[in-house]
Amino acid sequence: GQNIDQPTEMTATEGAIVQINCTYQTSGFNGLFWYQQHAGEAPTFLSYNVLDGLEEKGRFSSFLSRSKGYSYLLLKELQMKDSASYLCAVRDQGGSYIPTFGRGTSLIVHP
Amino acid sequence: DGGITQSPKYLFRKEGQNVTLSCEQNLNHDAMYWYRQDPGQGLRLIYYSQIVNDFQKGDIAEGYSVSREKKESFPLTVTSAQKNPTAFYLCASRRESSNQPQHFGDGTRLSIL
Repeated sequence: GQNIDQPTEMTATEGAIVQINCTYQTSGFNGLFWYQQHAGEAPTFLSYNVLDGLEEKGRFSSFLSRSKGYSYLLLKELQMKDSASYLCAVRDQGGSYIPTFGRGTSLIVHP
Repeated sequence: DGGITQSPKYLFRKEGQNVTLSCEQNLNHDAMYWYRQDPGQGLRLIYYSQIVNDFQKGDIAEGYSVSREKKESFPLTVTSAQKNPTAFYLCASRRESSNQPQHFGDGTRLSIL
């Protein structure tokens, strides 16, 4: 089984930078995903990490340290539309390639 | 445009009734999934299918049933045996390659009358 931990809620100011952490414990690791989900809508894919290091995509970056069981999602130049839930999902080495989702972090961006 | 379509967006069920949630995809994905999302909880896997005519139970399959007669379709039936069916239901699909993410539909919100 897997244990995934994320903060429940975070707040930040428009234009600022915010870091959302995710820690996990798994019997074998085979990739970590970050998704964004606005209330009542579908989760949308943001990033995938399977090797250690930083992946950058525009205003969003994701970091992974496999030895520490740790990832973070970094959001720069925050906009009001970034207010959403951010889901961390970890995949183990089983053959089904199905990730286990954390409970999500609700980010509130205020002016 | 390719995508995943879930219908209806809102569904109401009377006590003791079975209801079926539709999920159709035209992405030519082999794998399809059903998740349940409750407030303050992550997505929990109900059933998944990696190929036509085959499906597997997820973590919370009790009170649910599925079929996979066509590659494009993976309907979920919420039976009367599911005692707490009120939730947001999400369908997803994925191309079978190791680093491919899941693509999600817009969800169906099921409520009990």
